Amino acid sequence: QTVVTQEPSFSVSPGGTVTLTCGLSSGSVSTSYYPSWYQQTPGQTPRTLIYSTNTRSSGVPDRFSGSILGNKAALNITGAQADDESDYYCVLYMGSGIWMFGGGTKLTVL
Amino acid sequence: QLQLQESGPGLVKPSETLSLTCTVSGGSISSSNYYWGWIRQPPGKGLEWIGSIFYSGSTYYNPSLKSRVTISVDTSKNQFSLTLSSVTAADTAVYYCARECSGSSCKSFDYWGQGTLVTVSS
Repeated sequence: QTVVTQEPSFSVSPGGTVTLTCGLSSGSVSTSYYPSWYQQTPGQTPRTLIYSTNTRSSGVPDRFSGSILGNKAALNITGAQADDESDYYCVLYMGSGIWMFGGGTKLTVL
Repeated sequence: QLQLQESGPGLVKPSETLSLTCTVSGGSISSSNYYWGWIRQPPGKGLEWIGSIFYSGSTYYNPSLKSRVTISVDTSKNQFSLTLSSVTAADTAVYYCARECSGSSCKSFDYWGQGTLVTVSS
């Protein structure tokens, strides 16, 4: 069974740049999977950051950007700030109405 | 501003059926541009898509849960509902309802409810 893969954890220095990825255990992610990215801090509702690969949701700063990097979807964060410390989830549209979330990446800013 | 609000029992006994309702306000559930979905998150774990419904009643379910899940819609009340049968402790989670934008230019879960914790325990 296909699984959506994300790095379990990542660390970035304040002001630094980090790229989180979202892949498939079998196959490549393309724009046809409409990758979207969500930020979640503990106890809070997920917040939509990026949809349809690279479109920023309303109010999301341009420090956040999405793309396809090789065979994966990618979320790039530049100028990392303390309040970027969160869990980040990607979700892929698998077709036929089916969605699949990745396991999430815990981002630490230190 | 669109708002979604989950409601239902916070405690369900093992082997029984979990039932939740999502009330949509600030917009119509009968829009052709959106599906309406359920997503859950066990404590300390990641998000899992459960299923989605169109206002016409057309549904899609996570294959791993399909045998136990039913999602229904009541357009007169601007609500949609989730039932999950034969629950076990593994179904303990925060359950979110969300709007699924279905157009190719916006495909995502763009509005979320605040979530409701359902614990399965005797």
